[in-house]
Amino acid sequence: DAGVIQSPRHEVTEMGQEVTLRCKPISGHDYLFWYRQTMMRGLELLIYFNNNVPIDDSGMPEDRFSAKMPNASFSTLKIQPSEPRDSAVYFCASSLVYRGYGTDTQYFGPGTRLTVL
Amino acid sequence: LAKTTQPISMDSYEGQEVNITCSHNNIATNDYITWYQQFPSQGPRFIIQGYKTKVTNEVASLFIPADRKSSTLSLPRVSLSDTAVYYCLVGGYAGNNRKLIWGLGTSLAVNP
Repeated sequence: DAGVIQSPRHEVTEMGQEVTLRCKPISGHDYLFWYRQTMMRGLELLIYFNNNVPIDDSGMPEDRFSAKMPNASFSTLKIQPSEPRDSAVYFCASSLVYRGYGTDTQYFGPGTRLTVL
Repeated sequence: LAKTTQPISMDSYEGQEVNITCSHNNIATNDYITWYQQFPSQGPRFIIQGYKTKVTNEVASLFIPADRKSSTLSLPRVSLSDTAVYYCLVGGYAGNNRKLIWGLGTSLAVNP
């Protein structure tokens, strides 16, 4: 398997523009996570899906952020309008099998480095 | 929710054993402890996971005391390639939701 695939790898945009980040999870994985990483706040869980359904979006910073998972092999994270403080690396991760307790091994993509000018 | 605290940085030399401790005083009964490794420009990569006592795999050991309020990642005989950021993750399930609390990471520098 190619692993988790994210695109684009780098995105530079101007304040106010719409940004769409894309993720293809590992085939067969039933959980998908979106994270944001910054120096100040570290790794933050934004939202996660189980079987394409959003389960917990309490980490989404505000209404400018939205995420969708139309099918098992594709998810998007959209920021509209974007602001300079959204500049960060955004990771997508997927995992397999809800075990009832504990955390499952998450496989991370390479990330998208977003710069909002 | 459990909050994790780990040292910001550590220095070591090739061939030494490195121990990184993470504090998680409010860990819940159902929470597991997982450690990830991250290299620059890459996503975090799973190293090891445990619930209590000791877990060992081919790359590391994880020590968890009985009260589970802390955990220690042990890397035996580190090499230059072990220079990375190491994250402690405490997580479990609260009802139908997963709660994943990441530490801010420990930047490990291995010197020749």
